[in-house]
Amino acid sequence: GDSVTQMEGPVTLSEEAFLTINCTYTATGYPSLFWYVQYPGEGLQLLLKATKADDKGSNKGFEATYRKETTSFHLEKGSVQVSDSAVYFCAYSGGYQKVTFGTGTKLQVIP
Amino acid sequence: KAGVTQTPRYLIKTRGQQVTLSCSPISGHRSVSWYQQTPGQGLQFLFEYFSETQRNKGNFPGRFSGRQFSNSRSEMNVSTLELGDSALYLCASSLAGDRVEKLFFGSGTQLSVL
Repeated sequence: GDSVTQMEGPVTLSEEAFLTINCTYTATGYPSLFWYVQYPGEGLQLLLKATKADDKGSNKGFEATYRKETTSFHLEKGSVQVSDSAVYFCAYSGGYQKVTFGTGTKLQVIP
Repeated sequence: KAGVTQTPRYLIKTRGQQVTLSCSPISGHRSVSWYQQTPGQGLQFLFEYFSETQRNKGNFPGRFSGRQFSNSRSEMNVSTLELGDSALYLCASSLAGDRVEKLFFGSGTQLSVL
């Protein structure tokens, strides 16, 4: 069945370090891909999205490129801040309003 | 514009009881989805409603049910609670369409089953 696999956490980085969180998906057709972020005690918020192959989603310094050939949507940021500490979820949707999420990757950024 | 509102924020129940959770979507959003979030399983899709009809359903037992009202507000019900039902239940709303553009999540209802 359709699924999303993302790297296990937690990931601990020093402030201003480079961040990569890997995400791959298994799906048929042309799904839309997303990264959501969850801060402590809150619901999820959309961070960025891409709806077709080679699209690059970007927001708040985060980027991810929809790679159909490798079925990947890795999240990157050039310089993380303490305020980026949160749980990051990769997700995809093949249609209608059903979204399949990865298990989440906890990021901790230390000063 | 008000966000997605879920009530109550916390619930404590005992095994065998039933519980009803409520979700008010963003004004104008006609699709409401429910997710169960646990540390071990992450987010699991429960079901999605649009115009009072269930369009999608996840792999949960029949003890989990939901409904949507004409004003798009939604409720989910869990009957005969089990310890394993302890989780954060998240509601999300979106503009209805064939493809998801963006889900807007509430802060969730934290259910503890003792």
